[in-house]
Amino acid sequence: AQKITQTQPGMFVQEKEAVTLDCTYDTSDPSYGLFWYKQPSSGEMIFLIYQGSYDQQNATEGRYSLNFQKARKSANLVISASQLGDSAMYFCAMREGVPLLGFNKFYFGSGTKLNVKP
Amino acid sequence: DTGVSQNPRHKITKRGQNVTFRCDPISEHNRLYWYRQTLGQGPEFLTYFQNEAQLEKSRLLSDRFSAERPKGSFSTLEIQRTEQGDSAMYLCASRGLLYNEQFFGPGTRLTVL
Repeated sequence: AQKITQTQPGMFVQEKEAVTLDCTYDTSDPSYGLFWYKQPSSGEMIFLIYQGSYDQQNATEGRYSLNFQKARKSANLVISASQLGDSAMYFCAMREGVPLLGFNKFYFGSGTKLNVKP
Repeated sequence: DTGVSQNPRHKITKRGQNVTFRCDPISEHNRLYWYRQTLGQGPEFLTYFQNEAQLEKSRLLSDRFSAERPKGSFSTLEIQRTEQGDSAMYLCASRGLLYNEQFFGPGTRLTVL
């Protein structure tokens, strides 16, 4: 089974509107972390937001928020007030295990290409 | 700039040649990861270093691939006898002890002709 599933290969959004990018994950480890990265055409992966499995509140970072629904194993990214510069690939990722103990493997989804229209 | 750096940014080589990539992580980060990313896919884990020790290797890392991290600082990834299927973006990421997230370098794009 896929560890991370992103079912939207491509999305369009109008500038200044909000958009939700979907992500579901699969793990039996009680301790895990969920991440979203942005990858512009230049190729560099840019960290956006993090949610720990024990965090009670949804993570927020500026215009980014993570809609964490633990029972459904989903971790959707919400981008508010989209900007043209948000056009990029977006990857959901998961780290299994406690972060301070040795090796933690990170799993990435196949990504969603977001296009922001003016 | 104190981020992760990778060199070269682009490498074009002929099949059968050897190539070596370098990654310089953020200086205080003791954990270093190598990933491979093919077009339209997310990064796939290749190998992991904690300080100078290579603790994990993916099955993707065939015997033509070797990675080192001498003295726990920079790391190199070498591919011997390159094949066209090795064409991909090779990403390096580092992570500090108290950090959850990984910080990625700009990647090295390899094209094998």
